[in-house]
Amino acid sequence: EAQVTQNPRYLITVTGKKLTVTCSQNMNHEYMSWYRQDPGLGLRQIYYSMNVEVTDKGDVPEGYKVSRKEKRNFPLILESPSPNQTSLYFCASAFRGDYNEQFFGPGTRLTVL
Amino acid sequence: GQQVMQIPQYQHVQEGEDFTTYCNSSTTLSNIQWYKQRPGGHPVFLIQLVKSGEVKKQKRLTFQFGEAKKNSSLHITATQTTDVGTYFCAGSGSGAGSYQLTFGKGTKLSVIP
Repeated sequence: EAQVTQNPRYLITVTGKKLTVTCSQNMNHEYMSWYRQDPGLGLRQIYYSMNVEVTDKGDVPEGYKVSRKEKRNFPLILESPSPNQTSLYFCASAFRGDYNEQFFGPGTRLTVL
Repeated sequence: GQQVMQIPQYQHVQEGEDFTTYCNSSTTLSNIQWYKQRPGGHPVFLIQLVKSGEVKKQKRLTFQFGEAKKNSSLHITATQTTDVGTYFCAGSGSGAGSYQLTFGKGTKLSVIP
């Protein structure tokens, strides 16, 4: 089944404790992206990647890191999480030539205390 | 940066009534996409509009892209309870940074049976 998977789905952590949210897709998509969704703010793009070893900042990259060492994986790293990073995070992927038709993962709900 | 504004933020309709959500960009878009997110779910791609003045239909849903490629609308005829969810528009600019997707804040649709 074609899908985007994220782990963990739910996470409660404390300020300053480094964490990684994994994202994996099995559709051989070149394009991958991370979004955060907050009430009243909609979806905001954090980082995106057009292909392996190619990443670019979105609208809200501060406090986040990403890497794209393999085509199928695009982990999101919070080196020192803060409470304002409490949010619902979505990973998405798409074919490079049609990057606007994005397939979203199920989401990761992160709470930073 | 690019801003995409969407109105209304909320809409409550009686089942069978029509519904429209509007999207406006601060800059000219190369294309615009519409996504639907059911409560508790993830965004799902509905459609992409590319050409100036383009109109596309999907059963009871009609999508329009403005002549100046700065605005778009989604119209649902005779809403059903299955239409419940939040509808997002998302735009890509042209030129540098065109791989970045900017989402509107969404219109949350409630349908009263």
